[in-house]
Amino acid sequence: DTAVSQTPKYLVTQMGNDKSIKCEQNLGHDTMYWYKQDSKKFLKIMFSYNNKELIINETVPNRFSPKSPDKAHLNLHINSLELGDSAVYFCASSRQLEYNEQFFGPGTRLTVL
Amino acid sequence: GQQVMQIPQYQHVQEGEDFTTYCNSSTTLSNIQWYKQRPGGHPVFLIQLVKSGEVKKQKRLTFQFGEAKKNSSLHITATQTTDVGTYFCAGPRDNFNKFYFGSGTKLNVKP
Repeated sequence: DTAVSQTPKYLVTQMGNDKSIKCEQNLGHDTMYWYKQDSKKFLKIMFSYNNKELIINETVPNRFSPKSPDKAHLNLHINSLELGDSAVYFCASSRQLEYNEQFFGPGTRLTVL
Repeated sequence: GQQVMQIPQYQHVQEGEDFTTYCNSSTTLSNIQWYKQRPGGHPVFLIQLVKSGEVKKQKRLTFQFGEAKKNSSLHITATQTTDVGTYFCAGPRDNFNKFYFGSGTKLNVKP
């Protein structure tokens, strides 16, 4: 029973393509996040949703568009992929907005050729 | 903006040696969290510290939150090969549960 799941685990694609990564959590949490981890292992928050509402949108190119169809899902769509988008993308969730531990998904390794 | 700096970047120790990683913030933190990421894995929550000067222990791991709530440390006593991984601290920004993660300390333990 995976708490936070992501698909796909690996994604290899050509520059210019459009791709999506899906995330689902079965913990009943209100808040979900997308993080990007680069090759140097820096973890940077990209987006945060609380009860399907976007509350955090870091300085991320508008080629990245999150969508939350319901509280348990937060998907990430990326248009016109670039080489610099290659990274591991982690979805995470937490019970509420403040002071709660985050549960991370297994990650999606995106490679743009 | 607020930054959370972490040192050292890498640490190689012999099994049985102690290990410490330090986290420093440019601003006061309301709380700080620590995560561990095994190679090829995802970050896993270890602990959260909220009070000034707080010290918490988990078996061989000791976590401290500074009196000024601007720094924190994680100390591992007598490291084991299972301790291998990258340790991240994370501190919140503004009023939201948006955490700035430190740059991480990668720990390698030689058997």
